[in-house]
Amino acid sequence: DVKVTQSSRYLVKRTGEKVFLECVQDMDHENMFWYRQDPGLGLRLIYFSYDVKMKEKGDIPEGYSVSREKKERFSLILESASTNQTSMYLCASSSIKGQLGGTQYFGPGTRLLVL
Amino acid sequence: RKEVEQDPGPFNVPEGATVAFNCTYSNSASQSFFWYRQDCRKEPKLLMSVYSSGNEDGRFTAQLNRASQYISLLIRDSKLSDSATYLCVVNRQQAGTALIFGKGTTLSVSS
Repeated sequence: DVKVTQSSRYLVKRTGEKVFLECVQDMDHENMFWYRQDPGLGLRLIYFSYDVKMKEKGDIPEGYSVSREKKERFSLILESASTNQTSMYLCASSSIKGQLGGTQYFGPGTRLLVL
Repeated sequence: RKEVEQDPGPFNVPEGATVAFNCTYSNSASQSFFWYRQDCRKEPKLLMSVYSSGNEDGRFTAQLNRASQYISLLIRDSKLSDSATYLCVVNRQQAGTALIFGKGTTLSVSS
């Protein structure tokens, strides 16, 4: 079974803090993704990565950065947390092998509250 | 037109009912289609891929109409455990692996 883990289930941070969200997958997937999910807005793509040290902006990259130093790990960084970044953050991974636009497998999510 | 559009519901049905969800997508070049299921406060999980010829998995049937850019999910003999939000998902571009998620349709099955 594919396993995607995220470093924290719940996180409370103060405005202006630097926040690191970690994601690890154990299936040797090439692709990794970070989303946020908010009521009424659905899942929105923040950043994704096709390979180590490679990153692409999604739909809402402002205020975020990412790091992919190893294939299995994809980190989301909030440089200076703001209250509007309070959200559920979901990491996902997929393989390029097989069909195009491969199935994504999600981690359990991190609920971040910025005060 | 929104990239992936779904009726948010909620659909409230009794156990044993048949219920159908529809979804439209805007990018005619999309190649991959999925239905995901998301339980309350949980992560989305793949329910089934959607193939051009249509496909069935037990009580669930998915259909794709490329000409109308329309995807459907039919659930027969609804169970209480089917209560969840169902997300329609389409790949972003012809050769890309990033996906676009609809906002979901909420189903509530009652006894």
